[in-house]
Amino acid sequence: DGGITQSPKYLFRKEGQNVTLSCEQNLNHDAMYWYRQDPGQGLRLIYYSQIVNDFQKGDIAEGYSVSREKKESFPLTVTSAQKNPTAFYLCASSRGFMISNQPQHFGDGTRLSIL
Amino acid sequence: AQSVTQLDSHVSVSEGTPVLLRCNYSSSYSPSLFWYVQHPNKGLQLLLKYTSAATLVKGINGFEAEFKKSETSFHLTKPSAHMSDAAEYFCALDSGGYQKVTFGTGTKLQVIP
Repeated sequence: DGGITQSPKYLFRKEGQNVTLSCEQNLNHDAMYWYRQDPGQGLRLIYYSQIVNDFQKGDIAEGYSVSREKKESFPLTVTSAQKNPTAFYLCASSRGFMISNQPQHFGDGTRLSIL
Repeated sequence: AQSVTQLDSHVSVSEGTPVLLRCNYSSSYSPSLFWYVQHPNKGLQLLLKYTSAATLVKGINGFEAEFKKSETSFHLTKPSAHMSDAAEYFCALDSGGYQKVTFGTGTKLQVIP
């Protein structure tokens, strides 16, 4: 079955540590997205990528970094500069950023907590 | 600029009664609108989408939504709530072009047995 796989499901970060969240899709989608979800705040866009080797900052990119070296993969690194990283992180993909009417497909998320 | 407003953060219904989850939008363009459902510790799953073909859109699990341009609304309804419908629901707007998709803040649906 085609879909998006996020790993790990739960992740704990120590003070001063960088951690990387994995996102892999086998839907052959060009566009990929990272969202942060906090209670009562809906989804906030961290980074997005329209195509391989290209990515753009979203609304809350500070303290995060991404790469897009392969079409299937869009890992998110939460750096030590992100002072409040505790949240539920969702990865999504769609056929193309400029293609309207196309829904986003979501992974099952990674819950990040501070130790 | 585009925006989505989900008018209720929490909705509580009895099992077997109708469900109404409200969504208003603002867009300078002809929008695409989506409803997603999220169960605890899961990702979002598409329920239905409006793409200008028909104003009444039917989705999965008996849900439907009606696009009303004059009211800038896209409310989600279901005739009879089931316990399994308890979840959080998100309305999303895509104005196309370089506009990113905007999500509402979500409505938590509680179904009382």
